[in-house]
Amino acid sequence: SQTIHQWPATLVQPVGSPLSLECTVEGTSNPNLYWYRQAAGRGLQLLFYSVGIGQISSEVPQNLSASRPQDRQFILSSKKLLLSDSGFYLCAGQRAHTEAFFGQGTRLTVV
Amino acid sequence: AQTVTQSQPEMSVQEAETVTLSCTYDTSESDYYLFWYKQPPSRQMILVIRQEAYKQQNATENRFSVNFQKAAKSFSLKISDSQLGDAAMYFCAYRSARRTSYDKVIFGPGTSLSVIP
Repeated sequence: SQTIHQWPATLVQPVGSPLSLECTVEGTSNPNLYWYRQAAGRGLQLLFYSVGIGQISSEVPQNLSASRPQDRQFILSSKKLLLSDSGFYLCAGQRAHTEAFFGQGTRLTVV
Repeated sequence: AQTVTQSQPEMSVQEAETVTLSCTYDTSESDYYLFWYKQPPSRQMILVIRQEAYKQQNATENRFSVNFQKAAKSFSLKISDSQLGDAAMYFCAYRSARRTSYDKVIFGPGTSLSVIP
């Protein structure tokens, strides 16, 4: 079955520091990949999606960027974190005509 | 553009009772998928149930069932015999069934369900 490994599970970073969150996919190839952010007790905000290597689309303007250097690798980055970047980040994958499958998430606190 | 609405930010149910969570969506497409996801306190997203729009029969998974009304664009989730472990945030989601390379999943804002012992 398809799974997503996402790390780290928790992260505390100072304002202005860089960020790199990574997720990798197992059990399927050429998935669509997504980064979502979820504020406490709130819904999912789609940040980025990718339909293939090197193909990234941004849903909202922000301080973050995404990259997909390999088919099963999706990275969320920032050069300088802001306090407002704090939140819970979820990586998700999806194959055609199937439901989305999720990683376990990263809780990011910017201090 | 497609949208998904969940009009109940919070719901509560007595243990062993039945609760229904509401979801409506807006789309001009005729072929699509609908999902209910559960997010417990661990924050792991778990698929609860899936419905294909072309199927008239409502999907069921053990204590979970849906009432899919395509004309009304309504997709409610019924949880029977509620258990303490059902306490979670529940998200309704939509996905187009078009045969293109990209069809993102659109999530509703979620309903927080509490189960009262």
